[in-house]
Amino acid sequence: QSVMTQPPSASATPGQRVTISCSGSSSNIGSNTVNWYQQLPGTAPKLLIYSNNQRPSGVPDRFSGSKSGTSASLAISGLQSEDEADYYCAAWDDSLFVFGTGTKVTVL
Amino acid sequence: EVQLVESGGGLVQPGGSLRLSCAASGFTFSSYSMNWVRQAPGKGLEWVSYIWSSSSSVTYADSVKGRFTISRDNAKNALYLQMNSLRAEDTAVYYCAHLSKTLAFDIWGQGTMVTVSS
Repeated sequence: QSVMTQPPSASATPGQRVTISCSGSSSNIGSNTVNWYQQLPGTAPKLLIYSNNQRPSGVPDRFSGSKSGTSASLAISGLQSEDEADYYCAAWDDSLFVFGTGTKVTVL
Repeated sequence: EVQLVESGGGLVQPGGSLRLSCAASGFTFSSYSMNWVRQAPGKGLEWVSYIWSSSSSVTYADSVKGRFTISRDNAKNALYLQMNSLRAEDTAVYYCAHLSKTLAFDIWGQGTMVTVSS
């Protein structure tokens, strides 16, 4: 099964912007929409972005997603301390689901 | 309230079996595909299996194919994962997850821990 690669870590100070990349292939990101999940320490994952750039109800507009070709990215603007978490991209890949490798965001 | 509650986790010896359950409430369970996702300690998320709303189609990750079986009982609003021939590398928190019409896991359970060890 294919792998979608994310940087292992990202960090910024409160109020700054942080961007997380997700690199895939033609069989996953290149052919299907991308979703992003946030996992706070010790909790279940939560859907953050769906269909590349859509926010579920209740998700602040500080979170935004985009996709281009076989890559996607998640941006967090106006970073807050409660955004410190693990973030995962995900997509269909030839009738299977694939998660990205995950990125730990640290608020300095 | 929309809710998924997993149960059935525990300690099992290598080669053993375990059956996980996921109780759904607050939505029309029979209308949606469901999934199992796992997370080994300190590791990332790994999709395990999905089942269509009518059970007409099931798919598995290569890592569990031939050992795990997903099933559902729409009358009981329940999802199951039968795990056989368990290995140490199956040790993880197992989550059930609802698949939305936009193909996103929009509802997650709290997870149940499975530990495979002698």
